[in-house]
Amino acid sequence: GAVVSQHPSWVICKSGTSVKIECRSLDFQATTMFWYRQFPKQSLMLMATSNEGSKATYEQGVEKDKFLINHASLTLSTLTVTSAHPEDSSFYICSARVRRTNTEAFFGQGTRLTVV
Amino acid sequence: GQQVMQIPQYQHVQEGEDFTTYCNSSTTLSNIQWYKQRPGGHPVFLIQLVKSGEVKKQKRLTFQFGEAKKNSSLHITATQTTDVGTYFCAESQTGANNLFFGTGTRLTVIP
Repeated sequence: GAVVSQHPSWVICKSGTSVKIECRSLDFQATTMFWYRQFPKQSLMLMATSNEGSKATYEQGVEKDKFLINHASLTLSTLTVTSAHPEDSSFYICSARVRRTNTEAFFGQGTRLTVV
Repeated sequence: GQQVMQIPQYQHVQEGEDFTTYCNSSTTLSNIQWYKQRPGGHPVFLIQLVKSGEVKKQKRLTFQFGEAKKNSSLHITATQTTDVGTYFCAESQTGANNLFFGTGTRLTVIP
């Protein structure tokens, strides 16, 4: 199957700083990438959908100015958590698919963010 | 965002017993996908169902899509310890570029 690489796998940052998470599709071009947040023993909550070359579509309740998403190329999407606070601590996971609809999504390994 | 409900939330079974998880939506789904997430891991795609009443099998796993395309099920025959994990259904709104996950069913298999 296709490979999606997410980096870093874990990060600890101080409250008030920003953290950037990268998501790369290694062997395919991803027209669509999804960003999810997952709390322990809970489901994946879709935060936003990013399409190459256009603005991301954010789900209701997700702050656009806090979670900056950039999808500058067909193989790279980034999520920047700005001015992080302890309540932003979570597992963030990206996924990518080749076409926009009706195809499987390939997931990155996830990033465990801890804000202290 | 919408969320598809899954039941049960948790299931403990003795190794060798069967297991079923159900996915229910209040709206008609264009398609449904199933994923498995091992503890500490990331979701891995299992299958996609598109047609009304569709049934697909993968070894000990049987996937069904309801006639009304509002529900789906995953059945595992004779569970093994390697089946441990959380099983999620996921759906996209018709024609939309998104993917919403169900609430998930966490399966524990007791050796």
